[in-house]
Amino acid sequence: EIVMTQSPETLSVSPGERAILSCRASQSVGSNLAWYRQKPGQAPRLLMYHASTRAAGVPARFSGNWSGTDFTLTIDGLQSEDFAVYYCQHTYSRPPWTFGQGTKVEVK
Amino acid sequence: EVQLVESGGVDVQPGGSLRLSCVVSGFTFDPYVFHWVRQPPGKGLEWVSLINWDGTTTYYTDTVEGRFSISRDNSRNTLFLQLNNVKIEDTAVYYCARSLGEYSWNALDSWGQGTLVTVSS
Repeated sequence: EIVMTQSPETLSVSPGERAILSCRASQSVGSNLAWYRQKPGQAPRLLMYHASTRAAGVPARFSGNWSGTDFTLTIDGLQSEDFAVYYCQHTYSRPPWTFGQGTKVEVK
Repeated sequence: EVQLVESGGVDVQPGGSLRLSCVVSGFTFDPYVFHWVRQPPGKGLEWVSLINWDGTTTYYTDTVEGRFSISRDNSRNTLFLQLNNVKIEDTAVYYCARSLGEYSWNALDSWGQGTLVTVSS
């Protein structure tokens, strides 16, 4: 099973600033990595797939990148709806398609 | 509008059984891969199971293998998850979700609102 490790657990950022979230896979997953945002009491929402492709309707302030087994999600100009929990998930080869443990982005 | 609506979540005793359903609308059900994902109260997401478009291929996470069974009825636009021999640690909100793209194993782009399963004695 591929283990996905996210860091940091909590990220404190001021509105309007940049947030950079990290996710590391325990082995190569190619670019088969997705990011989700989950607000309290809601289902997750797909933000990014194939590591750097924005899902439909996702604003351009979200961007994804990767190098080897390290992935990043960058959010430029944080808005109120962006203060939430973010999860990465690999979608590589055969399941299980494991999630990271999540990063909470909170207001500084 | 794409909609996935789960139901069937109940309070159940350890060792019991239940079946979750997910009815979809707003798109053609047949060509899509579907998943179940769960989230224990206050915790993170756990991928549970996958079924391909014609139901011939299924996968499970290790902790539910042999106890849970995923299936689909393409004539009723419905996804199922049969939970048998449930354990305390199966307590969670269970989400059904669709893979992005027809006939594609990809990220989960549409989610239901979830149904709560509580296992306790």
